[in-house]
Amino acid sequence: GQSLEQPSEVTAVEGAIVQINCTYQTSGFYGLSWYQQHDGGAPTFLSYNALDGLEETGRFSSFLSRSDSYGYLLLQELQMKDSASYFCAVSSGTGRRALTFGSGTRLQVQP
Amino acid sequence: GAGVSQSPSNKVTEKGKDVELRCDPISGHTALYWYRQSLGQGLEFLIYFQGNSAPDKSGLPSDRFSAERTGGSVSTLTIQRTQQEDSAVYLCASSPQPGTSGGPQDTQYFGPGTRLTVL
Repeated sequence: GQSLEQPSEVTAVEGAIVQINCTYQTSGFYGLSWYQQHDGGAPTFLSYNALDGLEETGRFSSFLSRSDSYGYLLLQELQMKDSASYFCAVSSGTGRRALTFGSGTRLQVQP
Repeated sequence: GAGVSQSPSNKVTEKGKDVELRCDPISGHTALYWYRQSLGQGLEFLIYFQGNSAPDKSGLPSDRFSAERTGGSVSTLTIQRTQQEDSAVYLCASSPQPGTSGGPQDTQYFGPGTRLTVL
């Protein structure tokens, strides 16, 4: 089966940097995605890593180590609007392309 | 262009009744997914449609759940004889194409969800 682990909650202050880790177990791994979900909203795509290394998109970066089955999302220059839940998700060669999601990390940004 | 739309946005029903949830994917997207999210939890995969292929129903929790996709576009998720544990937000997502090795084309675009409450 597939499983993902990520911290349930993280708290940080405005302007700071926060890292949200994700470890996974899956077969036929294709890639690791990150989604953001504000309370009452739909998940929205943030980033995707298929290869080892760091992908940078503005204030957000995502890292993957396939050998360690590990990735993280790095958020820099935190803003209040970044308060949300962040989900890592794996896509794998199970014959379908649906994602398997972690249980989410709730990020609270404080002034 | 228009995103994924779902209806109704909220549905309150009595235990034992049947409900139908609708999803309109982004035009041209060949893949459509249904997920379920309980309060404070992650997303649980339910069913996946890709083009004209047989759907992957491996995530459906019981035979009370079924879904169809007509004309490769609109999808309906039906829950028969609803139970209180079916209460959740049901999310639909679509993506442009499945891809062969993963990548941005696998990005899933989510609708706003239908909040189902079974009394």
